[in-house]
Amino acid sequence: SQKIEQNSEALNIQEGKTATLTCNYTNYSPAYLQWYRQDPGRGPVFLLLIRENEKEKRKERLKVTFDTTLKQSLFHITASQPADSATYLCALSASNYQLIWGAGTKLIIKP
Amino acid sequence: GAGVSQSPSNKVTEKGKDVELRCDPISGHTALYWYRQSLGQGLEFLIYFQGNSAPDKSGLPSDRFSAERTGGSVSTLTIQRTQQEDSAVYLCASSFTSGEETQYFGPGTRLLVL
Repeated sequence: SQKIEQNSEALNIQEGKTATLTCNYTNYSPAYLQWYRQDPGRGPVFLLLIRENEKEKRKERLKVTFDTTLKQSLFHITASQPADSATYLCALSASNYQLIWGAGTKLIIKP
Repeated sequence: GAGVSQSPSNKVTEKGKDVELRCDPISGHTALYWYRQSLGQGLEFLIYFQGNSAPDKSGLPSDRFSAERTGGSVSTLTIQRTQQEDSAVYLCASSFTSGEETQYFGPGTRLLVL
């Protein structure tokens, strides 16, 4: 069956360092992948989309990579700040409109 | 402009009661999604509406769950005869169309069934 895995343990990073989050999937060939940020008590907020034929996408301090051979996406935040602390969700396209979601990784940036 | 709104923000109910959750999507968005999020779990797809097309109800967990979208705008998710396992956060999202479109989420309704 299709499966998406994100690190279930919280990731603690020192302010100013690069945070790297991982999204692995199996039994699946998504056309695209999205990353969202979710703060406590709020709905997810879209950050980046990367397509299967794209290796890398950047937006300000954010970078996403997509390796369809490894079936893995990496999400990087450079020069991390305490305000980047949140849960980050990856979501893979399952159809023309449906996304399959990972459980998210909680990121904590310590000052 | 206004984002996606949901009401109520919190709902506590007794087992066996019916509940109605409301979602107001962003104006002009034709696609609307309902998800369920339990602690430590990914978002679970429930139902999808697109324009005037028949909704995709394939994610509804049982026949106690139903949803409608009136006039292509406001949507209501109804859970009949609630069970304790229905306790979760129910999220609504809308997008301009479907496909690669960004989904815009509401703040969710936190449902607790006692």
